[in-house]
Amino acid sequence: NAGVMQNPRHLVRRRGQEARLRCSPMKGHSHVYWYRQLPEEGLKFMVYLQKENIIDESGMPKERFSAEFPKEGPSILRIQQVVRGDSAAYFCASSPQPGAPYGYTFGSGTRLTVV
Amino acid sequence: EDKVVQSPLSLVVHEGDTVTLNCSYEVTNFRSLLWYKQEKKAPTFLFMLTSSGIEKKSGRLSSILDKKELFSILNITATQTGDSAVYLCAVRYGGSQGNLIFGKGTKLSVKP
Repeated sequence: NAGVMQNPRHLVRRRGQEARLRCSPMKGHSHVYWYRQLPEEGLKFMVYLQKENIIDESGMPKERFSAEFPKEGPSILRIQQVVRGDSAAYFCASSPQPGAPYGYTFGSGTRLTVV
Repeated sequence: EDKVVQSPLSLVVHEGDTVTLNCSYEVTNFRSLLWYKQEKKAPTFLFMLTSSGIEKKSGRLSSILDKKELFSILNITATQTGDSAVYLCAVRYGGSQGNLIFGKGTKLSVKP
């Protein structure tokens, strides 16, 4: 079991470019959560998805950010027209069901740097 | 506003010391409290607590929840250099089944 796989591990983008972050959940997990971690800050919830559905996107910025979790393939977090303030570590977590008693399993994160 | 506050923000101890990390919370419809350990990679799950007064234990780590006073503590006894990490506290609350609110973490450094 490979765990939650995120790629790329590091991503550098120039201002105005698009960033696409990928997350493959653990085998058997159909619930995916994206979190953002700014330097010296805690993890902030962004979006919760189930296969083909967005369940809760209350933490997503209203513009430039979108997420999907298609029937086949990884979950994608997409950031359009990146700005310096988007520089952060983006973590994905998965679970077989909401409220899993052993918590979520996190990936190693994608560190986005906007130059 | 829902929030989770951890203290201290950082802590330096020597091997063999015992440490206590604190987590207080204010959320609507509390469901559970979770502790994670984060080294320079993915946060790894330590404990999930839902009931007051029941200690969860794993080796040298233990944790307990007080739902009346709205806090939890994480104890680490006989600390080792490998315990150096950021310890994150998170609370799952009503409204969204999937949402966790995290504290900023406590950065623990254990010196040899």
